[in-house]
Amino acid sequence: GQQLNQSPQSMFIQEGEDVSMNCTSSSIFNTWLWYKQDPGEGPVLLIALYKAGELTSNGRLTAQFGITRKDSFLNISASIPSDVGIYFCAGQVVGTASKLTFGTGTRLQVTL
Amino acid sequence: SQTIHQWPATLVQPVGSPLSLECTVEGTSNPNLYWYRQAAGRGLQLLFYSVGIGQISSEVPQNLSASRPQDRQFILSSKKLLLSDSGFYLCAWRAPPKNIQYFGAGTRLSVL
Repeated sequence: GQQLNQSPQSMFIQEGEDVSMNCTSSSIFNTWLWYKQDPGEGPVLLIALYKAGELTSNGRLTAQFGITRKDSFLNISASIPSDVGIYFCAGQVVGTASKLTFGTGTRLQVTL
Repeated sequence: SQTIHQWPATLVQPVGSPLSLECTVEGTSNPNLYWYRQAAGRGLQLLFYSVGIGQISSEVPQNLSASRPQDRQFILSSKKLLLSDSGFYLCAWRAPPKNIQYFGAGTRLSVL
């Protein structure tokens, strides 16, 4: 099925650094979601975005719904070791009720 | 509050054996229910979703089937497992009209 282009695929950063990742799509979305998945666990919702241009924060995490409705980014400030995991973007394409399209994931590894 | 349960957490099955994975949701009614498969280090592939009892939509042709015998119960089955059925299976639920999906802890299936 359709997937979003998510980048980067993986990143190694040092503790305390800021992180940025993004997703782009050829389709217009009416919802953007960001999830984090720890090894062997199910994805957990971090942030939900519902309007173009919306900027939402959850602690050290900030995400934005792109103005064109075809992209979104997630920033993590002052990373800590527990930020390690895989981050997925997901969204609902306009006209596709009930289903989400998922990005391919960004694997984040934090070194001390 | 709503919770989602998946079991078993881990399963090792021989090729050709049957499969039954169960997912139940508590604390909500008429949820949309979903089965995903995740290959190692990869994104989420939607297998089936259901908007009501007895209503199943299949996203990809495969060796698996799904059933929803009760409002908050979703079952993933196979009559004869293949090696390629190995993977991490995730169940999720959504409370319309919100587009957020909430995931279970997953089942790690190894077919040998």
